Amino acid sequence: EPEVTQTPSHQVTQMGQEVILRCVPISNHLYFYWYRQILGQKVEFLVSFYNNEISEKSEIFDDQFSVERPDGSNFTLKIRSTKLEDSAMYFCASSPGQGYSPLHFGNGTRLTVT
Amino acid sequence: AQSVTQPDIHITVSEGASLELRCNYSYGATPYLFWYVQSPGQGLQLLLKYFSGDTLVQGIKGFEAEFKRSQSSFNLRKPSVHWSDAAEYFCAVGASGGSYIPTFGRGTSLIVHP
Repeated sequence: EPEVTQTPSHQVTQMGQEVILRCVPISNHLYFYWYRQILGQKVEFLVSFYNNEISEKSEIFDDQFSVERPDGSNFTLKIRSTKLEDSAMYFCASSPGQGYSPLHFGNGTRLTVT
Repeated sequence: AQSVTQPDIHITVSEGASLELRCNYSYGATPYLFWYVQSPGQGLQLLLKYFSGDTLVQGIKGFEAEFKRSQSSFNLRKPSVHWSDAAEYFCAVGASGGSYIPTFGRGTSLIVHP
């Protein structure tokens, strides 16, 4: 069964550094998402992406964050200048459609900001 | 906007016992409802979903859930729990109109005693 893959599985960075989290969505899916989960808290929506542009974003997704689909397969999340509070598990997901189409999640990237 | 409440942070059951995980949602129209499971170090895996029709839905791994509109609930059940069911369980709600982005609850951690 096709999977969403995320790299790296764990990223450690210093405060103020830029990080790029990478995802390869399922190939025939059209909608892409980033969620994050701070330890012990709920899974929070960050951003959705469709047709090469952001379709929706949450209040968390401020100017520090950006997403890109640089080629036909990768979907990246960039955090420009990391803060301690950005430490979390970041999940990429994709879906073939919206609404009734469930999201397929990757295994996540654990980001630790020191 | 839709919201989800999972009132139980932790649930402990004995292997072989029955299980019910609670989920309440808030949304004005008929929601899309999902249950996901997250095993340690893994991403979120879809257990089951409800969009319309029969209010009792069957999922993978022997799980089922029942949509009760009058109670705004979508509780997850399993008649006999296995030790491998120990994981984090997330309920999610998507709107059938407006934003389709699923909103997740904070999760319920299931502990299974032998």
